[in-house]
Amino acid sequence: KAGVTQTPRYLIKTRGQQVTLSCSPISGHRSVSWYQQTPGQGLQFLFEYFSETQRNKGNFPGRFSGRQFSNSRSEMNVSTLELGDSALYLCASSLGGTDYEQYFGPGTRLTVT
Amino acid sequence: GESVGLHLPTLSVQEGDNSIINCAYSNSASDYFIWYKQESGKGPQFIIDIRSNMDKRQGQRVTVLLNKTVKHLSLQIAATQPGDSAVYFCAESSNDMRFGAGTRLTVKP
Repeated sequence: KAGVTQTPRYLIKTRGQQVTLSCSPISGHRSVSWYQQTPGQGLQFLFEYFSETQRNKGNFPGRFSGRQFSNSRSEMNVSTLELGDSALYLCASSLGGTDYEQYFGPGTRLTVT
Repeated sequence: GESVGLHLPTLSVQEGDNSIINCAYSNSASDYFIWYKQESGKGPQFIIDIRSNMDKRQGQRVTVLLNKTVKHLSLQIAATQPGDSAVYFCAESSNDMRFGAGTRLTVKP
């Protein structure tokens, strides 16, 4: 069974731009969660989608948004990029949500210059 | 505020020894706890989980202990191997998922 895949793996953007990251969950998984990982803040929860609906949301500004498609693939978007948005963005999929075993993808490394 | 944190940022053990990684949490409503391992350049990898109605759970070479009285979680790795070298995170889930800062485990040959 294929694991969680994320594209692109690396991305360089400039301040003020926007970016869209993609995540394909494990086949059969309906929940996709997104996380931001930085050396200073560690792993922080962004949001979780289940069956195309956002179920939970972390404490991030509205510049961070996401969506999930009918095939469970998910995208997250960050608008008006700031230097502090430089991070590893991880997605994880599970059968039922964050209170089930989650499988992480390799992440997208975003650098904002 | 509520937080999930680790007691030690680094841990160094000799190959073959047992390792214990600790984690404190403060949200008494948390009902699901997970340990993850993250190797350099990779996403976190699930190791073992435990729900709040249990106090111990064992896997292959790993054991998780949950003490709800003092809000403490630990991960025990038996016969630690060089391949166990990584950063280990505890996480707790209620409506979202919150991670501890991580402990870097180094295994000396």
